[in-house]
Amino acid sequence: GESVGLHLPTLSVQEGDNSIINCAYSNSASDYFIWYKQESGKGPQFIIDIRSNMDKRQGQRVTVLLNKTVKHLSLQIAATQPGDSAVYFCAENHKAAVNKLTFGGGTRVLVKP
Amino acid sequence: NAGVTQTPKFRILKIGQSMTLQCTQDMNHNYMYWYRQDPGMGLKLIYYSVGAGITDKGEVPNGYNVSRSTTEDFPLRLELAAPSQTSVYFCASSPGQGWNTQYFGPGTRLTVL
Repeated sequence: GESVGLHLPTLSVQEGDNSIINCAYSNSASDYFIWYKQESGKGPQFIIDIRSNMDKRQGQRVTVLLNKTVKHLSLQIAATQPGDSAVYFCAENHKAAVNKLTFGGGTRVLVKP
Repeated sequence: NAGVTQTPKFRILKIGQSMTLQCTQDMNHNYMYWYRQDPGMGLKLIYYSVGAGITDKGEVPNGYNVSRSTTEDFPLRLELAAPSQTSVYFCASSPGQGWNTQYFGPGTRLTVL
């Protein structure tokens, strides 16, 4: 079936550096993508989203890039802080599956002081 | 707003026992969802509801039941607990309109022995 996956299971980054988390999706009909952050023992927390008619969207210290040609999504975190240590999930949705998000397996980000 | 709340936080069940996981949201969202998350994995949709009185199966519904008698509440029922149901369960809700971002509760950690 259709799926969303991640290239790297764990990412170690120095505090202050930029982080890039990647995600591949296989359903070309997907039209909405979300990045979630999940800290240990907590539920996923919304970070940023993007629709398929856009290729870039910026938030506070975060940027999501969408490349529909190669079905690739990335999350960039600027000036990574210790509080950014968490597991990050991408999720995708398409019009044929009303409000049902398909989640990737997650990438753990470890910020080194 | 409290957002999405779940009870209990933790529970240990014996094989064959039953229980109900409670979920309440105070955001007047039409859509609600139940997910399970196994260790190191992404989230899998169990059931969802698009409004009071309406429920539908997700990706992994076997062994579970739901009901939606009110907009606020969406309980998940396990009738005959099995070790394969050991997981963390997350409830989520979304407005059902526009960019339909899902907001998650803190989760219930269930162990079946």
